[in-house]
Amino acid sequence: QAVLTQPASLSASPGASASLTCTLRSGINVGPYTIYWYQQKPGSPPQYLLRYTSDSDKHQGSGVPSRFSGSKDASANAGILLISGLQSEDEADYYCMVWHSSASVFGTGTKVTVL
Amino acid sequence: EVQLVESGGGLVQPGGSLRLSCAASGFIFSSYSMNWVRQAPGKGLEWVSYISSSTSPIYYADSVKGRFTISRDNAKRSLYLQMNSLTAEDTAVYYCTKTDAFDIWGQGTMVTVSS
Repeated sequence: QAVLTQPASLSASPGASASLTCTLRSGINVGPYTIYWYQQKPGSPPQYLLRYTSDSDKHQGSGVPSRFSGSKDASANAGILLISGLQSEDEADYYCMVWHSSASVFGTGTKVTVL
Repeated sequence: EVQLVESGGGLVQPGGSLRLSCAASGFIFSSYSMNWVRQAPGKGLEWVSYISSSTSPIYYADSVKGRFTISRDNAKRSLYLQMNSLTAEDTAVYYCTKTDAFDIWGQGTMVTVSS
């Protein structure tokens, strides 16, 4: 079982909100982990969006709009990237990442389509 | 402007070697950890290796351990990845990234392992 699992795809309408989940493998508690999020558009390198550990320990990437925000759902053992007010330019692949046992692990990625 | 520029990619035969370089500018290179991340064609992101600002500690993904060597020259503001015993599974775009947050990415350099 992969350390981090993301849904393969998500579709939403312009102006809607999109909630992307990053679920940690059973036995790994999301609580103490910092979840990093990246956006990648076709033909371009990934771009750092934000990191989230808790409401008191989070960081927004330089120039990243505030409509991108992070959180956790302890009951689902998952990190969440919320994109509010979806725009056509948000259509991209999104990856989560954690550091686990001295190794970086990426999620499988979610392709967001803005209909 | 903070910038990372990779070089050294190309076509190499299975079993061959290649050395990638990453030139950093716009920030105090010697103060930050660095990483290599790769992405196979049409696939997700895979972390390859980490090196701290002082060159210790160093970490590798299991998939490259014993074959790849990460290094840095702080005086030259450069990061390197020596890749030996290459296989087709190493074919990917290789990105140089800044810090353990991967907050800055280069444009990447393509490595193709094929006979």
